[in-house]
Amino acid sequence: DIVMTQSPDSLAVSLGERATINCKSSQSVLYSSNNKNYLAWYQQKPGQPPKLLIYWASTRESGVPDRFSGSGSGTDFTLTISSLQAEDVAVYYCQQYYSTPGFTFGPGTKVDIK
Amino acid sequence: EVQLVESGGGLVQPGRSLRLSCAASGFTFDDYAMHWVRQAPGKGLEWVSGISWNSGSIGYADSVKGRFTISRDNAKNSLYLQMNSLRAEDTALYYCAKCAGSGGSCYGDYWGQGTLVTVSS
Repeated sequence: DIVMTQSPDSLAVSLGERATINCKSSQSVLYSSNNKNYLAWYQQKPGQPPKLLIYWASTRESGVPDRFSGSGSGTDFTLTISSLQAEDVAVYYCQQYYSTPGFTFGPGTKVDIK
Repeated sequence: EVQLVESGGGLVQPGRSLRLSCAASGFTFDDYAMHWVRQAPGKGLEWVSGISWNSGSIGYADSVKGRFTISRDNAKNSLYLQMNSLRAEDTALYYCAKCAGSGGSCYGDYWGQGTLVTVSS
């Protein structure tokens, strides 16, 4: 089974500053036949279901602000919020969907305002 | 507009059964795989089970294998989760999630609000 880890567990960032969340998979989620990384990022605010932000490691979902970006390949990935806004306070999860039929999530990173 | 509405949760004693439902609308249900994901109180997300568009591919997390059964009725645009031999550790908010594709390798692009299952005597 692919195990996902995230760092840090939590971080506090000043409004307008950059937030960076790291995600690591125990094995590569890069599928060589199509050169795609099977990695997604979600945002979950209190009392709400997860919301898809990024898929294929770096493709932003429609309607997601461009201050959110994803990068990385293979086993190491990063979600960056370029200029933190108050509405970005949430828990962020990475998820691999390389292994079928299921997928696994990272433990989550809580983002707060400093 | 895509809508996923879960139902069937509640308080149940250990060892008993419960059947969750997810009513889907706003998209062509039988074009997409569907999944159940749960979240224990104050904890992270855990994938529970998934089913391909035609029920040809089904999978379960080890924690529920042999106790839970996923199914779908494409004519009724509905997804189900039959949960037997429930344990205290199954207590969670259960989300229905639509896959972005028809098969197993997918991310969840739409999620329901969840239905709460509490297993306690």
